[in-house]
Amino acid sequence: TQLLEQSPQFLSIQEGENLTVYCNSSSVFSSLQWYRQEPGEGPVLLVTVVTGGEVKKLKRLTFQFGDARKDSSLHITAAQPGDTGLYLCAATSILTGGGNKLTFGTGTQLKVEL
Amino acid sequence: DAGVIQSPRHEVTEMGQEVTLRCKPISGHNSLFWYRQTMMRGLELLIYFNNNVPIDDSGMPEDRFSAKMPNASFSTLKIQPSEPRDSAVYFCASSRDAYEKLFFGSGTQLSVL
Repeated sequence: TQLLEQSPQFLSIQEGENLTVYCNSSSVFSSLQWYRQEPGEGPVLLVTVVTGGEVKKLKRLTFQFGDARKDSSLHITAAQPGDTGLYLCAATSILTGGGNKLTFGTGTQLKVEL
Repeated sequence: DAGVIQSPRHEVTEMGQEVTLRCKPISGHNSLFWYRQTMMRGLELLIYFNNNVPIDDSGMPEDRFSAKMPNASFSTLKIQPSEPRDSAVYFCASSRDAYEKLFFGSGTQLSVL
């Protein structure tokens, strides 16, 4: 089982600040997903990265996949209160019977204050 | 589309009672997943169905847990008998096929007293 460590575990910042969240493992990922989860709701997929070194941007969010495909980062520029939530990385592995198994990271709880 | 629908949203029960959680996947999706989320262990995959057939149930904690998918539009997760350590948020998710993006429901908050 892949173990995904996220850091920091908690982050409280002011509106307008930048931040970076990390997702690390000793295993190589076939692909990695980032989700955001708001209170009382299920996780919502933000992005999937597949290629080592890949960088994807989603408005103020920048996602990077490490060259060795063992780590990933999420950078938020000029954070807003609407960015508040639990950010989860998830690594995919192929199930014997077909399909993906998502192993989720430990999560980073982000709070952006006015 | 209504999304993945789970019921109930909240369930409070006493130790030893049977609990049944329900899920209606998005129409047209043929893969369904049950996850459990706790502060200590995060999100864990319990069981995965493809075309109504259980493919991987290695995450099911013990025999007290069982899951069924009698048809493409309905699945249940049953705990019998329930224990306080089963308290968690249980999520159902579905995808168009086994390798596509997952859509999660809003979860069932289970409290076993």
